[in-house]
Amino acid sequence: AQSVTQLDSQVPVFEEAPVELRCNYSSSVSVYLFWYVQYPNQGLQLLLKYLSGSTLVESINGFEAEFNKSQTSFHLRKPSVHISDTAEYFCAVSDTGFQKLVFGTGTRLLVSP
Amino acid sequence: DTAVSQTPKYLVTQMGNDKSIKCEQNLGHDTMYWYKQDSKKFLKIMFSYNNKELIINETVPNRFSPKSPDKAHLNLHINSLELGDSAVYFCASSRGDSPLHFGNGTRLTVT
Repeated sequence: AQSVTQLDSQVPVFEEAPVELRCNYSSSVSVYLFWYVQYPNQGLQLLLKYLSGSTLVESINGFEAEFNKSQTSFHLRKPSVHISDTAEYFCAVSDTGFQKLVFGTGTRLLVSP
Repeated sequence: DTAVSQTPKYLVTQMGNDKSIKCEQNLGHDTMYWYKQDSKKFLKIMFSYNNKELIINETVPNRFSPKSPDKAHLNLHINSLELGDSAVYFCASSRGDSPLHFGNGTRLTVT
């Protein structure tokens, strides 16, 4: 069975500071990895994904995540955050593509001026 | 236009009642899902339908019954509601091996 651990339930950070949201997973097979973002009172939106190929994946709004197989991690990073990045971030894993995602418990990113 | 829409947005009801949540997608996707997000923000898949056929059915009490009248709709009916059913329910859709598109959720509160 797969599982995802997001160790930090909340990460407070000042605007323009760098941030890293941690995600570790466990799986006995090859996996696909995802980060989703949930803004207040909205559904989840796909931020970025790792399916194969380059282990470093990037989103259009400056986030990046690196798949590290040896450490079974898929940490999310951004070199300089904005107030608008305040949201809940969910890491997810699947061994069947997008069909059946197993989510972590989420990390709330709080960006303050 | 909203891609995946759920109604109602909020639902407050008493224990023992029966209620339904509706979901519609206008993306032309062939697969639809119901996810449950509990008070600790833990998000777990409940059901998945592909072309109106049930393909994923996690360990969910049989009080929960999904119904897909067509590819664009997946409704969730819940009988004999219990306090533990209080959660946010998300509908989602996808096509083939594409990312899921989520609705904005229905916050169900059982009193």
